[in-house]
Amino acid sequence: DVKVTQSSRYLVKRTGEKVFLECVQDMDHENMFWYRQDPGLGLRLIYFSYDVKMKEKGDIPEGYSVSREKKERFSLILESASTNQTSMYLCASSLREGGSAEAFFGQGTRLTVV
Amino acid sequence: GQSLEQPSEVTAVEGAIVQINCTYQTSGFYGLSWYQQHDGGAPTFLSYNALDGLEETGRFSSFLSRSDSYGYLLLQELQMKDSASYFCAVTWETGGFKTIFGAGTRLFVKA
Repeated sequence: DVKVTQSSRYLVKRTGEKVFLECVQDMDHENMFWYRQDPGLGLRLIYFSYDVKMKEKGDIPEGYSVSREKKERFSLILESASTNQTSMYLCASSLREGGSAEAFFGQGTRLTVV
Repeated sequence: GQSLEQPSEVTAVEGAIVQINCTYQTSGFYGLSWYQQHDGGAPTFLSYNALDGLEETGRFSSFLSRSDSYGYLLLQELQMKDSASYFCAVTWETGGFKTIFGAGTRLFVKA
């Protein structure tokens, strides 16, 4: 079974802190994604990566950056956390090519910025 | 830009059939997917349509019409455990496979 693991289930950080959210997948997937999920807004794409060191902005990249130094690991970085970044963050991975484009999700990180 | 529209809530009775619609304003995408998410859980993949028409997977079916910019998820023989949020998503090939999601439809199944 594909497994996508996010480093923390719950996280509380202070305004202005630099925050790292880590995601690891074990199925050799090329594509990895970071979404944030807020009530009524669905899943909004922050960044995605389709290869090591390759990244593309999603719909809401402001205030975030990403790092993909190894194929299995995709990190989301909040450069200076703000209260409006309080949210559920979901990491996902998928094959680069394939019929279904099925994405597999981690369990999410509930981040609270105080 | 790309956008997907879904109803925010749908309520149905156990044993019934329910259809969740998804309309989109985008083009050139690779396919339309559907995901289910229970409260507190991660989204899980349900179905995918690369071509126009109906795809059936057990009690769930999904339909796509690119000419009408429209798709739907059909759930038959509803069960209480089907109470969840359902998201449609579109995927483009841009080097990798970029996927964006609609805001989701909350399905309430009543006894």
